[in-house]
Amino acid sequence: DGGITQSPKYLFRKEGQNVTLSCEQNLNHDAMYWYRQDPGQGLRLIYYSQIVNDFQKGDIAEGYSVSREKKESFPLTVTSAQKNPTAFYLCASSPGTDKQFFGPGTRLTVL
Amino acid sequence: QKEVEQDPGPLSVPEGAIVSLNCTYSNSAFQYFMWYRQYSRKGPELLMYTYSSGNKEDGRFTAQVDKSSKYISLFIRDSQPSDSATYLCAMKGGTSYGKLTFGQGTILTVHP
Repeated sequence: DGGITQSPKYLFRKEGQNVTLSCEQNLNHDAMYWYRQDPGQGLRLIYYSQIVNDFQKGDIAEGYSVSREKKESFPLTVTSAQKNPTAFYLCASSPGTDKQFFGPGTRLTVL
Repeated sequence: QKEVEQDPGPLSVPEGAIVSLNCTYSNSAFQYFMWYRQYSRKGPELLMYTYSSGNKEDGRFTAQVDKSSKYISLFIRDSQPSDSATYLCAMKGGTSYGKLTFGQGTILTVHP
C-alpha cells in the first residue's frame, strides 16, 4: 500500500527531553512537510523540504529540528527549547504539485 | 487579521440537509484552493482541489471559488452522519512548493 506513515501514534515527553517523531512515505514524493495542530486552530507549518539534504523553516520552527537524508524519510525532533510542545503533529508529502497528502498524525503530550 | 478566516462552528444539521461551509481570505496571491476533511484524531483527507473561479462538483460535494470576492465555499448535499468531521479550507500561492495556509476548521455534526 502506498502512503504516509507516522510513528508513534501517541508520545509522552518529560520536561527537558528531546523527542523524535518519525515520518515515512513510499509515494515517491519530492516534498515533505511538518505541521502542528492545536485545538481550535488550523494547521501551522513547522518545516518543509523540497529535496534530499535541503529544508526550510516554516512559520513556527523555533524549538524544532529536522533532517532529510533520504527521500522517503523526514523526521522531526521536538527539542527542550520548544516551550509548549503538546499538540497534534502532522506530516505531509507532495509530488511537486499543489496537493499535499497527510499522514495519520502523532499526538505529543508533555508530562 | 488572519490571512484565512473560517467560521469554527460548531455546525449541527439533520441528516439529508444541505451544508454550506465557507472561508474568506485576504491574500490575492492565493491561486489554489483545497478542502480537507478531518475525522477526530486522524490526519486530514483531501476532498476537493480547484484553481479557478467557479464550481467543481464531485459526487455530493461542490467546491465554489469566487476570486473577485476572495471567498470559497464547500457544499455538501444529502448530508450523512458519516460526514460528521472537521472541515478545513486551505490555499496557496503560485509556486510549486511551499506551505498551505489553513483556516481554523469548521466542526460539522450530522445527526440522524
